[in-house]
Formats: sequence, structure tokens, C-alpha cells
Amino acid sequence: KNEVEQSPQNLTAQEGEFITINCSYSVGISALHWLQQHPGGGIVSLFMLSSGKKKHGRLIATINIQEKHSSLHITASHPRDSAVYICAVGFTSGSRLTFGEGTQLTVNP
Amino acid sequence: GAVVSQHPSRVICKSGTSVKIECRSLDFQATTMFWYRQFPKQSLMLMATSNEGSKATYEQGVEKDKFLINHASLTLSTLTVTSAHPEDSSFYICSANSMGQETQYFGPGTRLLVL
Repeated sequence: KNEVEQSPQNLTAQEGEFITINCSYSVGISALHWLQQHPGGGIVSLFMLSSGKKKHGRLIATINIQEKHSSLHITASHPRDSAVYICAVGFTSGSRLTFGEGTQLTVNP
Repeated sequence: GAVVSQHPSRVICKSGTSVKIECRSLDFQATTMFWYRQFPKQSLMLMATSNEGSKATYEQGVEKDKFLINHASLTLSTLTVTSAHPEDSSFYICSANSMGQETQYFGPGTRLLVL
């Protein structure tokens, strides 16, 4: 069983839809990261969370420490949001990350 | 935000040759660098953790004599794939952080194809 589980694995949406990607982890963490990987392969760090909620443009990330669960929301989705979204956790400060399997998001025009 | 670069972005080599991949932190001191490998449709897999000035710590199943890692300065780590074989073809990504910092900055990756 993976220590970090994401759902769904694949998600197809129409432009403008509200999107939610979920991430659950099994033990206490130091920080949780949401990453975006485009087809070319490069990875962009979207958020790093240890509590609460963060917002950047149309992206919102929340984390519930007690429930060991985080969500990434995209409002007013756009085809350029199509990418793989990866949840990663650090179990101790500054340490290696453990990655979820990723969610392939496709937003159709 | 902080920037991490990788060079080359893609490389094609013949089986049996060695390939060196560089990972540089451009505007911060990277006390720790991580090297990952990613096969198609799979998530990143950590290969090794490299701390500046010391030997890298390799993950189980990763051959340290095949994947040589050097982290001689606070801005540069190198991964050398020695005697490359077609099964080493993959996407190699580095990330870096500073001592005590949670945030990891990822490089753009290097796509290796071994013929």
C-alpha cells in the first residue's frame, strides 16, 4: 500500500468546470506538496502546505492534518491546466519526498 | 522563486557509454539535492540523496557504482550513468533544498535515451 494515495487517477473535464483532486497519506507529515508536471516533463511546485489553505490564482490547496487529507482545487478550468498533478509528502523537515501516483487531468475546450 | 537547472535537457547515447547529467541551483545554496528517475506513466522514484561534501545515500536497489553522484559544491550536483544500457533510458529529475528548508525546487529534467 502506497503511503500517499491520490484520486482520481484520471480526470477529464470541460473547460470552465471546477476540479478537485484528492490526496491521502498514512502517517504524520512535516509538509505536503502539490506539483504539476506538463507533457514535456518539467515539474513545477504549486503549493507547499503544513496546515490550512493556500490560494494562488485559480488554484486552491487545503489540508486537514487530523484526517491526513489534502485537496487541490482548480476553479474555472482551462485546457492549459491539462497536466499531471502530483501530491508529495515530507515526513520530516527537509527530507526526501514520497510521491503519489499522480492524477492525469485533461481539460477539453 | 528559486531556480534549478539541468543539463543536458535530453541526450541520446550508445549502449556502453557514460553520460553525465548536471543539476545546478542558480540562486541559492543547495545543501541537499535529490535525484529521481521517472519511467513513462509512472511517478517519480527517488534514486539517491546527496548532501554537499559527503557521499550520496542511495535507495535500495539503486547501484551506486552505476549511478555515480557527486555533490562537490553548494550549487552543483552531477549524476553519471556509467556503461549505460537501453533499460537506463528514462527521465531523470533533480531537486534541491537548503538546510532546514521544506521547499524543494525541481529541475526541468533530463531525458536519456540509450540506443
